Amino acid sequence: GQQVMQIPQYQHVQEGEDFTTYCNSSTTLSNIQWYKQRPGGHPVFLIQLVKSGEVKKQKRLTFQFGEAKKNSSLHITATQTTDVGTYFCAGKAGGTSYGKLTFGQGTILTVHP
Amino acid sequence: DGGITQSPKYLFRKEGQNVTLSCEQNLNHDAMYWYRQDPGQGLRLIYYSQIVNDFQKGDIAEGYSVSREKKESFPLTVTSAQKNPTAFYLCASSSLGGNNQPQHFGDGTRLSIL
Repeated sequence: GQQVMQIPQYQHVQEGEDFTTYCNSSTTLSNIQWYKQRPGGHPVFLIQLVKSGEVKKQKRLTFQFGEAKKNSSLHITATQTTDVGTYFCAGKAGGTSYGKLTFGQGTILTVHP
Repeated sequence: DGGITQSPKYLFRKEGQNVTLSCEQNLNHDAMYWYRQDPGQGLRLIYYSQIVNDFQKGDIAEGYSVSREKKESFPLTVTSAQKNPTAFYLCASSSLGGNNQPQHFGDGTRLSIL
């Protein structure tokens, strides 16, 4: 079945440093979503990418969808302590049941002040 | 305020016991999902439902059962056949319009074995 791999599993940074997490799918995706889960909380939707090569920005966060629609990345510029949490990508393969997503394992981000 | 309510927040199960986790949403979403979260493994799909009285198995359905008798409710039963039930269980819902709609999550239920 479809697999979505996410690296790294953990990332520790000093406040102000940049951070990137990468997501790779074993199959071509129709779209990809990104979620953030704060410690002790539940995942919260951040963004969805649909088009090949798409780039979207949300303040210090930049999301990219690969040209082949099999990989994606999330980059945070100048991290802050409020960025702490686990970041998940979730992909939907073409032809799969409506709304069914496959989640990556997540990247746990720690930001040291 | 619209949202998803999961209860209880913490649940303890004895050996050989079935337990039911509640999930209710007032977002008028058609689709509902149950995920299991274990450390280092992300979210794994247990069951999902796109319409009342219909549901499909996800990737790890063995040892679990669900029902969808009402649009707003999607309870999950962890049966005694699930040998390793200790985990964080998350319920989510989404609408079915457009390409793929965001999923909205509840606060989760943490299940432990006594």
